[in-house]
Amino acid sequence: GAVVSQHPSRVICKSGTSVKIECRSLDFQATTMFWYRQFPKQSLMLMATSNEGSKATYEQGVEKDKFLINHASLTLSTLTVTSAHPEDSSFYICSASPGRDYNEQFFGPGTRLTVL
Amino acid sequence: GQNIDQPTEMTATEGAIVQINCTYQTSGFNGLFWYQQHAGEAPTFLSYNVLDGLEEKGRFSSFLSRSKGYSYLLLKELQMKDSASYLCAATDSNYQLIWGAGTKLIIKP
Repeated sequence: GAVVSQHPSRVICKSGTSVKIECRSLDFQATTMFWYRQFPKQSLMLMATSNEGSKATYEQGVEKDKFLINHASLTLSTLTVTSAHPEDSSFYICSASPGRDYNEQFFGPGTRLTVL
Repeated sequence: GQNIDQPTEMTATEGAIVQINCTYQTSGFNGLFWYQQHAGEAPTFLSYNVLDGLEEKGRFSSFLSRSKGYSYLLLKELQMKDSASYLCAATDSNYQLIWGAGTKLIIKP
């Protein structure tokens, strides 16, 4: 149980284009979903927290107009990187929690984004 | 501020035991997680401690001392597949996860 999927697993795009990453909880309802970014040899950096049906809460320094998050249902959240640039190249990982206390987070397999 | 400290890298021998330490300073505390992350993959859950003491799960054990703001992950009978990064994360009073930078564990034959 508690499986989280992400799609796509890898994406290469041209600078200036937008990329959408999907995160799905397959066998549970995710009240809260989290989006992380991880640069090589660095730890996870929380980008934003989203609760179903409400606006995402972004961490300091994360541009909400650039990283659009939609959590329209209890099993799906999407992250759209708008007008991507090479510095946005990173490993993007989502996690999902069945409750609001965040004590359980189940991670997706991650999406490797490369912006040329 | 909130902070998690753990060693950057450790090396151990196959079949041996290794202890990875983690100290934390958070605004409130609601438990500590250990995750394993292989290169290029997402983290996978190893353990969760909220009460003082040792939790044993197969070859892996995790210890917590709330009064000292300290935890460790103990790996026994090391196998080559245990080579990975081990992430310590503490939850604060708002149940937000505060992540350490991870400890890269290198296992040598």
